[in-house]
Amino acid sequence: NAGVMQNPRHLVRRRGQEARLRCSPMKGHSHVYWYRQLPEEGLKFMVYLQKENIIDESGMPKERFSAEFPKEGPSILRIQQVVRGDSAAYFCASSPEYGGSYEQYFGPGTRLTVT
Amino acid sequence: AQTVTQSQPEMSVQEAETVTLSCTYDTSESDYYLFWYKQPPSRQMILVIRQEAYKQQNATENRFSVNFQKAAKSFSLKISDSQLGDAAMYFCAYRSASNTGNQFYFGTGTSLTVIP
Repeated sequence: NAGVMQNPRHLVRRRGQEARLRCSPMKGHSHVYWYRQLPEEGLKFMVYLQKENIIDESGMPKERFSAEFPKEGPSILRIQQVVRGDSAAYFCASSPEYGGSYEQYFGPGTRLTVT
Repeated sequence: AQTVTQSQPEMSVQEAETVTLSCTYDTSESDYYLFWYKQPPSRQMILVIRQEAYKQQNATENRFSVNFQKAAKSFSLKISDSQLGDAAMYFCAYRSASNTGNQFYFGTGTSLTVIP
């Protein structure tokens, strides 16, 4: 059973460009979470999605950031007009059901560098 | 909002010795879950151990055990017989048990060095 997949693992963007980060949850998981880890810090929650629904986006910046989890395909975290401060590691996690195992299984992360 | 505090940015331990990493948290909830994650240089987050708040017995996973003090809101991780492969960042995390509390709250991490 493959784990949570994220791609790309490394992404370099110039200021003003768009970044698209993809996350495929573990097989059978229908809940996806995105976290951001700034240098020397812990992971900070951004958004929680189920298929075709955003459940909690309380950690998401109000501008330039959006997330989706379509019926088919991976979850996408999209950052428009990136700035240097967006440079971070972005982690996706998945869980099998609402409040199920209580664990979240993490992907390897995408390291975004904005130049 | 819940907060998780790890007051030791860095720790070191001699190989084969025991080390304890501390974690405290702040919450008004009575039911929740606590976790320790390990993040090696690969940056992959690996679950080390978890504790359900309603359980009085401390969780144990091989060389890893926790000291869960609910009243003190303390959740320390003990690593026995430390190995070189234990060197990593360790993050303590909190998750509510309520149906609306799915996000994890992480501490800022403790960097563990294992000295050969």
